[in-house]
Amino acid sequence: GQNIDQPTEMTATEGAIVQINCTYQTSGFNGLFWYQQHAGEAPTFLSYNVLDGLEEKGRFSSFLSRSKGYGYLLLKELQMKDSASYLCAVRDSNYQLIWGAGTKLIIKP
Amino acid sequence: SQTIHQWPATLVQPVGSPLSLECTVEGTSNPNLYWYRQAAGRGLQLLFYSVGIGQISSEVPQNLSASRPQDRQFILSSKKLLLSDSGFYLCAWSAQGSNSGANVLTFGAGSRLTVL
Repeated sequence: GQNIDQPTEMTATEGAIVQINCTYQTSGFNGLFWYQQHAGEAPTFLSYNVLDGLEEKGRFSSFLSRSKGYGYLLLKELQMKDSASYLCAVRDSNYQLIWGAGTKLIIKP
Repeated sequence: SQTIHQWPATLVQPVGSPLSLECTVEGTSNPNLYWYRQAAGRGLQLLFYSVGIGQISSEVPQNLSASRPQDRQFILSSKKLLLSDSGFYLCAWSAQGSNSGANVLTFGAGSRLTVL
């Protein structure tokens, strides 16, 4: 079966750095996505990786290692508004998105 | 710019009653349309997707159905709701014909359904 694993919950301090990991076992691979979802709201797109390496986008960066079936989302200079759930998703060989359960990130002052 | 509207935002329905959730997209033509359900502690579950008018693919067998009567309209329905249908329902769209590249999903605001 296809599976996406990410931690259920993480806590970090305002101004710090946090790394949210995602490991996957899927039928083929056509990209890894990160979405942010604030409580009670819709997910919004953050990043996309299809080649190995680090993609940087302001305070947020995303990394992929296809050989390890692994990626992570790195958030720097954390702000209170970054408190949200972060969803990892992988597009498989049928171009269907397989979603992780999400990581709830709690930011403390 | 493209926008997606989904309604109602919340609803409380008795078991056995019908359901209709509606989603419309503006500012684009021939989008791919999706209905997802999100349960606490679980990943987004794809219920239905559509690549064109009248073309519906069902991913999970259940008492829900979907229809696409117009290019930018997607409706999720049920004739008789079950308790297990409670959840957060999300409509989404993506650009047609671009499976490569990011082809980002854009979600509606969601509909929270409680079945009592």
